[in-house]
Amino acid sequence: SQQGEEDPQALSIQEGENATMNCSYKTSINNLQWYRQNSGRGLVHLILIRSNEREKHSGRLRVTLDTSKKSSSLLITASRAADTASYFCATDATGNTPLVFGKGTRLSVIA
Amino acid sequence: ETGVTQSPTHLIKTRGQQVTLRCSSQSGHNTVSWYQQALGQGPQFIFQYYREEENGRGNFPPRFSGLQFPNYSSELNVNALELDDSALYLCASSELAGGPEGEQFFGPGTRLTVL
Repeated sequence: SQQGEEDPQALSIQEGENATMNCSYKTSINNLQWYRQNSGRGLVHLILIRSNEREKHSGRLRVTLDTSKKSSSLLITASRAADTASYFCATDATGNTPLVFGKGTRLSVIA
Repeated sequence: ETGVTQSPTHLIKTRGQQVTLRCSSQSGHNTVSWYQQALGQGPQFIFQYYREEENGRGNFPPRFSGLQFPNYSSELNVNALELDDSALYLCASSELAGGPEGEQFFGPGTRLTVL
């Protein structure tokens, strides 16, 4: 069963705009990770945020985590056409348990 | 490139057949996890192997089985294929504790179609 739910399911924006994707999850977590997947191929790890962190940055990515609301958001600033992909959040309950993925957000960045 | 490779890239089988998918882990990683990703869904955990032993299993029937070899490469075997087994199968390698960033390194996947 899916742990997380990403919102929206699909997002279409113009190049240069910011893209925000949200993830909600059900159970307590050790960390939350975001992955990107291009065209149904392998997943690429983007960023990990631990349960005791509230915000993390990596390049054009900004992730927030609100454990009281069991939710996270991924912000991609100044989007590019190459950012077009599906984005998944994945939660890790104990640090050595399998990742539990949501259904993903399909992002389309139009040049 | 994550250094994780999978073979074959694509595979077509018929219902009732058996299939073996292969994964070569990233150097230095002793843990491999397998995931099934149906079209339009997120990956679902099948099982994990650590140092050649199963180290956790998701909600998949026994006809899904695996092996991990001394060089940490891995196989996923599926017997008595069903139409619903059609999916992208992903393997991911990691250190047992998920490494310093807890990340798993995914291969490009094998697209299995069952007719």
